[in-house]
Amino acid sequence: EAGVTQSPTHLIKTRGQQATLRCSPISGHTSVYWYQQALGLGLQFLLWYDEGEERNRGNFPPRFSGRQFPNYSSELNVNALELEDSALYLCASSLAFGTNLPDTQYFGPGTRLTVL
Amino acid sequence: SQKIEQNSEALNIQEGKTATLTCNYTNYSPAYLQWYRQDPGRGPVFLLLIRENEKEKRKERLKVTFDTTLKQSLFHITASQPADSATYLCALVRPGGKLTFGQGTILTVHP
Repeated sequence: EAGVTQSPTHLIKTRGQQATLRCSPISGHTSVYWYQQALGLGLQFLLWYDEGEERNRGNFPPRFSGRQFPNYSSELNVNALELEDSALYLCASSLAFGTNLPDTQYFGPGTRLTVL
Repeated sequence: SQKIEQNSEALNIQEGKTATLTCNYTNYSPAYLQWYRQDPGRGPVFLLLIRENEKEKRKERLKVTFDTTLKQSLFHITASQPADSATYLCALVRPGGKLTFGQGTILTVHP
């Protein structure tokens, strides 16, 4: 069974540009989560999508946004990039959101975003 | 807001010994707690999940305990091997779905 996939592996942008990161969940998973992991820091929760809807959002500015498509894949958009946005962006997926608790999350390999 | 502390940034032990990692949390009790392993530049890999009504969970050489009175989880790796060297993360999940991760503990097992 294929795991969570993310693209691209690496992305280099300059300040002020926009970045789009993509994620495909494990087959059968309907929930997708995005995390930011800056160098030397822990994982910071960004966004949670389930069945195409945004379920929860972390403490990030509105220039971090995303969406989930009918096939449950997702993309994360970061507008007006800043130097401190440089980080590893991780996507995770889980089974259906049912009892107000997300199931175990399975992570992809991440996209390394570098902002110059 | 929920705060999670993992005992130390780094833990060094000799091969064959038991590694014990600690995860302490404040405020409300989570619905469940998870432990993940992360290797450099890679995404975290799920290891174990323990629910608030469970005291202990085992999987091969791994054992997790959950004490809701102490607000603490302990993660043990018995008969540790150099291949166990990695960063170990604990994560709390509460109703509403937000997953909060600790900063991680870097475990190094020396041959």
